[in-house]
Amino acid sequence: DIVMTQSPLSLPVTLGEPASISCRSSHSLLYRNGNNYLHWYLQKPGQPPQLLIYMGSNRASGVPDRFSGRGSGTDFTLQISRVEAEDVGVYYCMQDLQTPRTFGQGTKVEIK
Amino acid sequence: QVQLVQSGPEVKKPGASVKVSCKASGYTFRDHGITWVRLAPGQGLEWMGWVSVKNGQANYPQKIKDRVTMTVDPSTNTVYMELKNLRFDDTATYYCARVDDDGWFYWGQGALVTVSS
Repeated sequence: DIVMTQSPLSLPVTLGEPASISCRSSHSLLYRNGNNYLHWYLQKPGQPPQLLIYMGSNRASGVPDRFSGRGSGTDFTLQISRVEAEDVGVYYCMQDLQTPRTFGQGTKVEIK
Repeated sequence: QVQLVQSGPEVKKPGASVKVSCKASGYTFRDHGITWVRLAPGQGLEWMGWVSVKNGQANYPQKIKDRVTMTVDPSTNTVYMELKNLRFDDTATYYCARVDDDGWFYWGQGALVTVSS
C-alpha cells in the first residue's frame, strides 16, 4: 500500500497569515500521462470531506484562490495564502493512483 | 444538481450487520462509480472500497474485504454498502462519494453507525 505522511499534524494559525501543509507519499504519484494523482480534502466538523485541490495543483470548483497546491512525484504541499476563520478543520491528502486508496493522517488547522 | 442522499443513523450490536444506502440523483447514474470512506471517532479518513455501477464490480481494501460488500440497484439509482460481523471499532460515520477522474467532488451527507452492546 502507498503510505501517505502529512506534517504537521496540528497547525495553529493566525488569521490573515499564511499556512502550509506537507504531504509525502511512499511511492511516486506521477503517472505516465503527466498527472500527479494526489488530491487535498478539507473536512469540517459534522460535514463530509470537500475537495480542495485535485491532481496536485488544480483548484476544485468554488475553492477560493487563497488555496494552492504544488509538488510532484512524492512531495506535495498545500498552501493557504491568508487563513480565514472558515478554513479551520482537518486537511487530508489522498493518493488516487493505486488501490487501496490511502489518506494522510490529517492535519488539524485551528485559529490561535 | 448532483445529490447523494444516504440512509439514517444505525445502532448495532457487535457481530451484527449493517447496510447503508446512497441514492444518487442529478446525473447519469451509470457514468460514475461510487466509493465509500469512513471517519471513526478520533481517527482519520479510511477508504472502504468502490463499486462500478456499470457492472457491479467492486474493489475493497485487504483489511475489510472479508466483511464488506457493495452492491448496486440501477432501478433506483442506489448503491449499498453492507458491513458484516461488526466490531466496536467499526463505529464511524460512513460517506459515499461519486468517483470522478479529477477527485471526489460530490459526497453524501454521511451515515453514523454505532456499534454498542
